[in-house]
Amino acid sequence: GQNIDQPTEMTATEGAIVQINCTYQTSGFNGLFWYQQHAGEAPTFLSYNVLDGLEEKGRFSSFLSRSKGYSYLLLKELQMKDSASYLCAVRDGNYQLIWGAGTKLIIKP
Amino acid sequence: GAVVSQHPSRVICKSGTSVKIECRSLDFQATTMFWYRQFPKQSLMLMATSNEGSKATYEQGVEKDKFLINHASLTLSTLTVTSAHPEDSSFYICSAETGEPYEQYFGPGTRLTVT
Repeated sequence: GQNIDQPTEMTATEGAIVQINCTYQTSGFNGLFWYQQHAGEAPTFLSYNVLDGLEEKGRFSSFLSRSKGYSYLLLKELQMKDSASYLCAVRDGNYQLIWGAGTKLIIKP
Repeated sequence: GAVVSQHPSRVICKSGTSVKIECRSLDFQATTMFWYRQFPKQSLMLMATSNEGSKATYEQGVEKDKFLINHASLTLSTLTVTSAHPEDSSFYICSAETGEPYEQYFGPGTRLTVT
């Protein structure tokens, strides 16, 4: 079967750096997405990786290793507003989007 | 960026009634729209994929006669929850897909409460 694994919950301190990992096993691969979802709101797009390597976008970076079936989302200079769930999603060989269960990130002052 | 609207944002209805939720792509044409349901503290659950001008493709376990989807145009898809029951209370979110890299842009969601 296809599955995506990411930690259920993580805690970090304001101003620090946190890395949220995502591992996947899918039938084919056509890109990996990271979304941010605040409680009670819809997800918002953060990043897209289809080739190996690091994509940097401001305080957020996303890394992909297709051979390892692994990605991480790196958040720097954490702010209280970064408290949210972070969803990893992989587009499989049929262009179906497979969603992870999400990682709830708690930021403490 | 691409904007997707959803209406209504909140709805409370009585058990046995039907509720229609609209999803619109405001500044782009979306050949494919998706409907998700999300229960508290759980991840998104894809209900169906909607393509303009054709019948929706429902995920396993989702009743097509209960959750009617119509994708009438390239900018509008509707989800009708028929004969709603309290267990249908949930957060319903639509998304629309653009071209490469096939990003999905989400609507703000509709919180349905069935009493």
